[in-house]
Amino acid sequence: DADVTQTPRNRITKTGKRIMLECSQTKGHDRMYWYRQDPGLGLRLIYYSFDVKDINKGEISDGYSVSRQAQAKFSLSLESAIPNQTALYFCATSRTSGGSQETQYFGPGTRLLVL
Amino acid sequence: LAKTTQPISMDSYEGQEVNITCSHNNIATNDYITWYQQFPSQGPRFIIQGYKTKVTNEVASLFIPADRKSSTLSLPRVSLSDTAVYYCLETDRGSTLGRLYFGRGTQLTVWP
Repeated sequence: DADVTQTPRNRITKTGKRIMLECSQTKGHDRMYWYRQDPGLGLRLIYYSFDVKDINKGEISDGYSVSRQAQAKFSLSLESAIPNQTALYFCATSRTSGGSQETQYFGPGTRLLVL
Repeated sequence: LAKTTQPISMDSYEGQEVNITCSHNNIATNDYITWYQQFPSQGPRFIIQGYKTKVTNEVASLFIPADRKSSTLSLPRVSLSDTAVYYCLETDRGSTLGRLYFGRGTQLTVWP
């Protein structure tokens, strides 16, 4: 979805390096998420944020940190990258809907290779 | 922690109807069933959602029986461009968490 953008789209880094993946959205949504996808494992939630002052750990937050710089921006950092963090990373957004179902909108993904 | 079970893969030919079944034996009263579609090198995309009986939109139909322990996504007259991974998820109607649990999905391959 063009309303959710991720940079970079592809990244190669070395073990021990710090890297940041960025996500921006123009949908005006308050909720943002970071997932990783590994072959054959579906998507797993890393971190999520319901507004600028709210950050929550997901299933697999170890080795990652996030920053919600503004409602439209949510960054994922790997403080010291390791090879098993090689994966496809997706950012997603949704709008709080007062108890009814929310649809999440995903970005195009960032393919990360850690050597 | 995916809460649903679906086939790993399915094959079909162009023009056929495809039905993908999902099991959710322990679905909670507040849960909806939601399906996402993912093309290679793209993020998942919402396609349909339902609570019970039948829901239809321009892309697919979703059938949920009265006991709600399973559901079936129906894609009419598939084309090559329907080749994708399809995910079945339980989503909590009343949840303030907004979290989605994706399993491995079903890889649908449509052949000419």
